[in-house]
Amino acid sequence: KAGVTQTPRYLIKTRGQQVTLSCSPISGHRSVSWYQQTPGQGLQFLFEYFSETQRNKGNFPGRFSGRQFSNSRSEMNVSTLELGDSALYLCASSKDSRATDTQYFGPGTRLTVL
Amino acid sequence: DAKTTQPNSMESNEEEPVHLPCNHSTISGTDYIHWYRQLPSQGPEYVIHGLTSNVNNRMASLAIAEDRKSSTLILHRATLRDAAVYYCILRDVGSQGNLIFGKGTKLSVKP
Repeated sequence: KAGVTQTPRYLIKTRGQQVTLSCSPISGHRSVSWYQQTPGQGLQFLFEYFSETQRNKGNFPGRFSGRQFSNSRSEMNVSTLELGDSALYLCASSKDSRATDTQYFGPGTRLTVL
Repeated sequence: DAKTTQPNSMESNEEEPVHLPCNHSTISGTDYIHWYRQLPSQGPEYVIHGLTSNVNNRMASLAIAEDRKSSTLILHRATLRDAAVYYCILRDVGSQGNLIFGKGTKLSVKP
């Protein structure tokens, strides 16, 4: 079974631009979560989508948004990029959204904002 | 979700057992204890989880204290590939799917 894939793997943008990252979950998984990882803040939860609905959201500004499609693939968008948005963005999928469900992470998208 | 406390770093020798501690004194009766690890330049990966009883799988063992206020992840024979940051995470049975990561323990394995 193929794992979680994320595209692109690396991205360089400049301040003020916007960016869209893509995540393809494991086949059959309905939940997709997004995380941001920085050296200073560690791994922080962005949002979770389940069956095309946002179920949970972390403490991030409205510039960060996402969506999930009917095939469970998900995208996240960051508008008006700031230098502090430079980070590794990780996507994770799970079968459902229960506390006992294992989350499977992708390799991440490394975003650099200049 | 309740908080966990882990040492910032630990060292181990290759092929020796490693015991990674986690304190969670405010754990509730419905909190599952999960462990994930993140190898360098990779996304986190699931290691093991448990509720009350000790658990074993092909990767590790999880020993849970009788009062559930602490737990220990046991790697039976550390390899160089086990060098990673290990995260102990509590997940309430009623919580949504996201994980709340702390700082974790950075494990170094010496050959």
